[in-house]
Amino acid sequence: AQSVTQPDIHITVSEGASLELRCNYSYGATPYLFWYVQSPGQGLQLLLKYFSGDTLVQGIKGFEAEFKRSQSSFNLRKPSVHWSDAAEYFCAVGRNNDMRFGAGTRLTVKP
Amino acid sequence: GAVVSQHPSWVICKSGTSVKIECRSLDFQATTMFWYRQFPKQSLMLMATSNEGSKATYEQGVEKDKFLINHASLTLSTLTVTSAHPEDSSFYICSGGGNIDTQYFGPGTRLTVL
Repeated sequence: AQSVTQPDIHITVSEGASLELRCNYSYGATPYLFWYVQSPGQGLQLLLKYFSGDTLVQGIKGFEAEFKRSQSSFNLRKPSVHWSDAAEYFCAVGRNNDMRFGAGTRLTVKP
Repeated sequence: GAVVSQHPSWVICKSGTSVKIECRSLDFQATTMFWYRQFPKQSLMLMATSNEGSKATYEQGVEKDKFLINHASLTLSTLTVTSAHPEDSSFYICSGGGNIDTQYFGPGTRLTVL
């Protein structure tokens, strides 16, 4: 069965520190992989996506993610977090109009 | 980039009434639209997939007679929550696009049923 796991429910980092949000998936074939960000009461904004090719994907707002097939992972990273990055982050996987979301990781940024 | 709007952004209604939520693609044609439901501090759960001009496909466990979806045009899909009850209170999000890799999400509609 398809599933997406975001092991960390809540992460707190200091402003300027690096960030890594974890995402693991279970899927029959290699799916498309996505990271979205959601601010309180808002919809989702796509940060980046992976379909094929280079396993290191660059996204908006300085985010990047690396696809590791052997680990079924698609972790999101940012070298230096800004206070405005505080939000909820969702990993999603899917194929053929079937998209599954992880439970989300809430990011708090300390000044 | 492509924009998807939802109206209303929030709505409060009495138990037993019906509420209609609109999802519009403003600058592109959405052959497929998806409706999600999000409970507080939880992830999005896909409710249904609608294709323009055909009946929606509902996910297992979603009552199609309670959550009526109409995708009458390439730019508009509506979700009607019929005979709403407090347990229907949630954040409803739509997305539009041709394929999974080109989905654009609306800002969401918060429904509160008293």
